[in-house]
Amino acid sequence: QLQLQESGPGLVKPSETLSLTCTVSGGSISSSSYYWGWIRQPPGKGLEWIGSIYYSGSTYYNPSLKSRVTISVDTSKNQFSLKLSSVTAADTAVYYCARHRGIAARLEPLDYWGQGTLVTVSS
Amino acid sequence: QSVLTQPPSVSGAPGQRVTISCTGSSSNIGAGYDVHWYQQLPGTAPKLLIYGNSNRPSGVPDRFSGSKSGTSASLAISGLQAEDEADYYCQSYDSSLSVVVFGGGTKLTVL
Repeated sequence: QLQLQESGPGLVKPSETLSLTCTVSGGSISSSSYYWGWIRQPPGKGLEWIGSIYYSGSTYYNPSLKSRVTISVDTSKNQFSLKLSSVTAADTAVYYCARHRGIAARLEPLDYWGQGTLVTVSS
Repeated sequence: QSVLTQPPSVSGAPGQRVTISCTGSSSNIGAGYDVHWYQQLPGTAPKLLIYGNSNRPSGVPDRFSGSKSGTSASLAISGLQAEDEADYYCQSYDSSLSVVVFGGGTKLTVL
């Protein structure tokens, strides 16, 4: 059974960089059949797609976040990562990693999700 | 304000049927992009409920069904059960914004 697990600091100071890693188990991130994505959910609010990556490193980003976001992949560790720079309180959210059900990336549904990790931006 | 519009809340009694709408535009649902639906139980990650407008992943009861017409899509839940009480989100792709879009979510209350 495929499992995804987010990890990283739960508290980040304003203006600093948020860094999270998603570890995939029960399957290979190097599969040619899937993209992998990051989604966030501010407390009490809806879902926002951040970006997605293929095992080759090909990425798609949400244009509203693109200037601050970097998503990378480490196939040797079966992980992919998120970096969000210059964070503010508005970036406080539960951050989820997930798998796209196919290689059409942004068109595909997200069929496996991590449990999510709350990141709070505060001094 | 979400690109895809959902009602904030719907409710129904056990055993009843409810529908949740997801209204988009000519650059997303109306452009032919698929709609997917998720169920989010309190304090948990979203779960894929319907993909490709009307397909159910393995393990999802056939009480859940999806449809799409024009610039809108709908999720129907029949034979409501207490365990269906959750938030439901639609998802598609918007070509003018080049972004994956989610609806604002609908809270289902089972009376």
